Amino acid sequence: ILNVEQSPQSLHVQEGDSTNFTCSFPSSNFYALHWYRWETAKSPEALFVMTLNGDEKKKGRISATLNTKEGYSYLYIKGSQPEDSATYLCALRGTSGTYKYIFGTGTRLKVLA
Amino acid sequence: DAGVTQSPTHLIKTRGQQVTLRCSPKSGHDTVSWYQQALGQGPQFIFQYYEEEERQRGNFPDRFSGHQFPNYSSELNVNALLLGDSALYLCASSLTGIGYTFGSGTRLTVV
Repeated sequence: ILNVEQSPQSLHVQEGDSTNFTCSFPSSNFYALHWYRWETAKSPEALFVMTLNGDEKKKGRISATLNTKEGYSYLYIKGSQPEDSATYLCALRGTSGTYKYIFGTGTRLKVLA
Repeated sequence: DAGVTQSPTHLIKTRGQQVTLRCSPKSGHDTVSWYQQALGQGPQFIFQYYEEEERQRGNFPDRFSGHQFPNYSSELNVNALLLGDSALYLCASSLTGIGYTFGSGTRLTVV
């Protein structure tokens, strides 16, 4: 069974702190990995799509890296702001023959002002 | 440009009833996927519709069925509701099934 795990489940950081979370997946099953940002009562918003080992993506203060050989992706937030408070989800597409995405349970981030 | 629209936003149903949830995809998107998010879990894939046919299905019973219309909009139907069907149902649209734009979901409560 393909399983995607995210850690930590939740964390609180002070405004200005930098933080990172992890998405782990079976390295033998990988086609693409997506990161989403999900604010309460809103729609999940796509952050990054990553497909190649060693991929690094950046969007403002948020960046992500991908290691398909060891089966993990890191999401980094530099200088966290209260508006970064959200749940961050990763989703794995296991093979090219499937359209199904396997989601982790998310990391809930709370940035304290 | 409207994103993905889901209706209704919330609804409450009784065990044994049937429910229909609706989704209008983002303009230009031809594929609709449905996910169920139960409390404390990540979204779980129900099925995906493309060209008005179910292209792939997750591990959900036959009580869960769907439809896609010629305008690419979609419905999710759940028959014989169980308490365990209480969840947030997310619709996601895409072009040919790659990458998603999500709606904000329908919160279903079964009592």
